Amino acid sequence: NAGVTQTPKFQVLKTGQSMTLQCAQDMNHNSMYWYRQDPGMGLRLIYYSASEGTTDKGEVPNGYNVSRLNKREFSLRLESAAPSQTSVYFCASSEDTGRYTEAFFGQGTRLTVV
Amino acid sequence: AQTVTQSQPEMSVQEAETVTLSCTYDTSESNYYLFWYKQPPSRQMILVIRQEAYKQQNATENRFSVNFQKAAKSFSLKISDSQLGDTAMYFCAFTAGGATNKLIFGTGTLLAVQP
Repeated sequence: NAGVTQTPKFQVLKTGQSMTLQCAQDMNHNSMYWYRQDPGMGLRLIYYSASEGTTDKGEVPNGYNVSRLNKREFSLRLESAAPSQTSVYFCASSEDTGRYTEAFFGQGTRLTVV
Repeated sequence: AQTVTQSQPEMSVQEAETVTLSCTYDTSESNYYLFWYKQPPSRQMILVIRQEAYKQQNATENRFSVNFQKAAKSFSLKISDSQLGDTAMYFCAFTAGGATNKLIFGTGTLLAVQP
């Protein structure tokens, strides 16, 4: 049971380059999320998707785009990377039925923009 | 807007002793959920314990327990009989639930368990 799988685990980009972070879950969850983790700031929500075909902005969406390709996959795209986007990125998923269910996290992607 | 505050950036405890990590939050929601997540050096986010706001009884999971004070909006984590494997970053988190379980995290407390 893989849970939530993120690729890649590490990436170095030059300023201005673009890339897509991939996330897939095999738990048939409705909701998926992208967070970034920065020192001293905890995890902050970038974008989320409550169901296939829908996406919404979180706390820090600027500079990012997302795609909910199907129920399993939720990708995060940096169109023109900036040093301020150096961070650890986490994808998560949960089965939301109107009350709380546990969120499951991927292993994270450490992204460095130089 | 909801906020979560962890005022202890770093803490240290001797092996086998007890340590308490603090968390306060602010919300106008009447029902919500609170969590403690552990992040070891592997980076994996591990759910340690959760508390539903409408439950008055404090949650416990083996050596981990919480002191949930709803009126004071306080949610502290107590780790008993600390072990070297408890060394990690600990995050307090909040969600109001509903259509999505968007989590709001505190800034974290780095706990070091000393041998």
